[in-house]
Amino acid sequence: DAGITQSPRHKVTETGTPVTLRCHQTENHRYMYWYRQDPGHGLRLIHYSYGVKDTDKGEVSDGYSVSRSKTEDFLLTLESATSSQTSVYFCAISTQEDTEAFFGQGTRLTVV
Amino acid sequence: QKEVEQDPGPLSVPEGAIVSLNCTYSNSAFQYFMWYRQYSRKGPELLMYTYSSGNKEDGRFTAQVDKSSKYISLFIRDSQPSDSATYLCAMKREDSSYKLIFGSGTRLLVRP
Repeated sequence: DAGITQSPRHKVTETGTPVTLRCHQTENHRYMYWYRQDPGHGLRLIHYSYGVKDTDKGEVSDGYSVSRSKTEDFLLTLESATSSQTSVYFCAISTQEDTEAFFGQGTRLTVV
Repeated sequence: QKEVEQDPGPLSVPEGAIVSLNCTYSNSAFQYFMWYRQYSRKGPELLMYTYSSGNKEDGRFTAQVDKSSKYISLFIRDSQPSDSATYLCAMKREDSSYKLIFGSGTRLLVRP
């Protein structure tokens, strides 16, 4: 899995609580991404990072924030979880030169 | 209208059949085209990557890009039950090296 570890792999949380998902890579890739995958929508980009402390929004960023204090770690935070954020979340990495992204195993989040 | 359209399937074929998977897109600026395979409860893995128009072959897999028709295809020859998975197309513009746009995926079932 290209040296990408997502944690936790599964989480159930209550509406209104904060949640943080972690992505850790051992490849020293510059770019890191958070996607969510929902039936009928495929993969949609939430946020991405192009370096330490350099992040930007994707197409579905509302309700999410990210941080990248080290090359290897990219955190996704749901400030106040809602049921619409129930989804499978994937982290991905890529180098500056390559165009393809390599994905982690995913985190299945359920907000009840 | 979505930028990338993909029939969700499921597509069911007998073992040994030739499989054709397709995506259409609306943005003529897309230059990089990828196919990912995703097994159930796993992260997507890159299968094929092509730049601009033309064909690319890798073993039993052939990727085709027709930019004039805004249409890409993935062919699988001699399909195997192990090919049963969801296939996602993805693409990006020349000027946006880290923003992949995904189709919603086609589920393929190869019957023994």
